Amino acid sequence: DGGITQSPKYLFRKEGQNVTLSCEQNLNHDAMYWYRQDPGQGLRLIYYSQIVNDFQKGDIAEGYSVSREKKESFPLTVTSAQKNPTAFYLCASSIVAETYNEQFFGPGTRLTVL
Amino acid sequence: AQSVAQPEDQVNVAEGNPLTVKCTYSVSGNPYLFWYVQYPNRGLQFLLKYITGDNLVKGSYGFEAEFNKSQTSFHLKKPSALVSDSALYFCALSFHGSGNTGKLIFGQGTTLQVKP
Repeated sequence: DGGITQSPKYLFRKEGQNVTLSCEQNLNHDAMYWYRQDPGQGLRLIYYSQIVNDFQKGDIAEGYSVSREKKESFPLTVTSAQKNPTAFYLCASSIVAETYNEQFFGPGTRLTVL
Repeated sequence: AQSVAQPEDQVNVAEGNPLTVKCTYSVSGNPYLFWYVQYPNRGLQFLLKYITGDNLVKGSYGFEAEFNKSQTSFHLKKPSALVSDSALYFCALSFHGSGNTGKLIFGQGTTLQVKP
């Protein structure tokens, strides 16, 4: 059963806490992406990685960090510096980071700040 | 600057009628265009894409889209809507150019409501 898994499905964070969202894929894709979805705003790119041990900032990287130590995994940490982290977070992957390749999405993690 | 616009927040259609969800784009250079669908609290599912060639692209679940370069549009269509088509639809843009490495630019989304 191939695909992208994200965990947890729901996550609650207290003020000042760092939290890490998991993203795993078994599609053997090289490229992975993290998006943030807010109502009425579409998806905005946080970070992306074209290859293991390499990643680049997207449009809204402030307050977030990532790592890419394994091809299958691309965890996202939401730090206390992110002032408005409540959102739906989506991880995606594509076979390679080419402009014409479609991305495959995980089921998402909904983060709520208490 | 590159951008995608979905001019309608919501589209309402009766079951069995044809549906259209609109998308326009702005890009310098050749665009690559995508449609995705999202059901509540789920990830996005890929429907179809335009890269080059035939302007009419056929995709999953009976959906199709027409690329119109002169109008810079990529409208999603289906001849006969189903209640199960009710969802949030996103148009997305990528493009060939320096510095772009598979990043997608998304429209704000259009909610499709199909009524029985």
